[in-house]
Amino acid sequence: GAVVSQHPSRVICKSGTSVKIECRSLDFQATTMFWYRQFPKQSLMLMATSNEGSKATYEQGVEKDKFLINHASLTLSTLTVTSAHPEDSSFYICSVWGRETQYFGPGTRLLVL
Amino acid sequence: AQSVTQLDSHVSVSEGTPVLLRCNYSSSYSPSLFWYVQHPNKGLQLLLKYTSAATLVKGINGFEAEFKKSETSFHLTKPSAHMSDAAEYFCVVSDEAGTASKLTFGTGTRLQVTL
Repeated sequence: GAVVSQHPSRVICKSGTSVKIECRSLDFQATTMFWYRQFPKQSLMLMATSNEGSKATYEQGVEKDKFLINHASLTLSTLTVTSAHPEDSSFYICSVWGRETQYFGPGTRLLVL
Repeated sequence: AQSVTQLDSHVSVSEGTPVLLRCNYSSSYSPSLFWYVQHPNKGLQLLLKYTSAATLVKGINGFEAEFKKSETSFHLTKPSAHMSDAAEYFCVVSDEAGTASKLTFGTGTRLQVTL
């Protein structure tokens, strides 16, 4: 069965609004989760590392004030895209580390109009 | 620093023929290597992983890969392609085996399977 879930699977929003994406670890407790984005026909790019109980670590070029990450429990991390714009439209995927492997969620497709 | 090069952006095979997806890596450490598959509009599914044990790794759906340190390669193979294998395949390297370290993705290889 699924190890990682994401919600919602698809979201459409207006420019300027904020969108929250949830990532849940279903099989084990995860002190570390990762957030990626994927543009059409491209590979995954790591955005940030989410650490339970502490601040997330962002990759170079990723705006921490725009992509807010909260990892409040061992099974849940959230990514909030604040003041979304059309260029934020993308496929957002989270992953969970466990059993020497990263398990990926099914992804959330965000479309900003 | 670590990097992954997938040598072919697109591979097309006939159903029932062998599949070879090529991957070369660069890592300063003893790497962990993975192959993931992504079907359209879906998340990534782990096919197989190498974490410094046996160099020939068997995965799901008949796929396997061989870790060759001398060639810094981790090519993915399957003896006989099936239509359901058509998808995007990513070779991925992690610079520290057995830890929650960052993954570096290759650019992907799109596998097309024809009748």
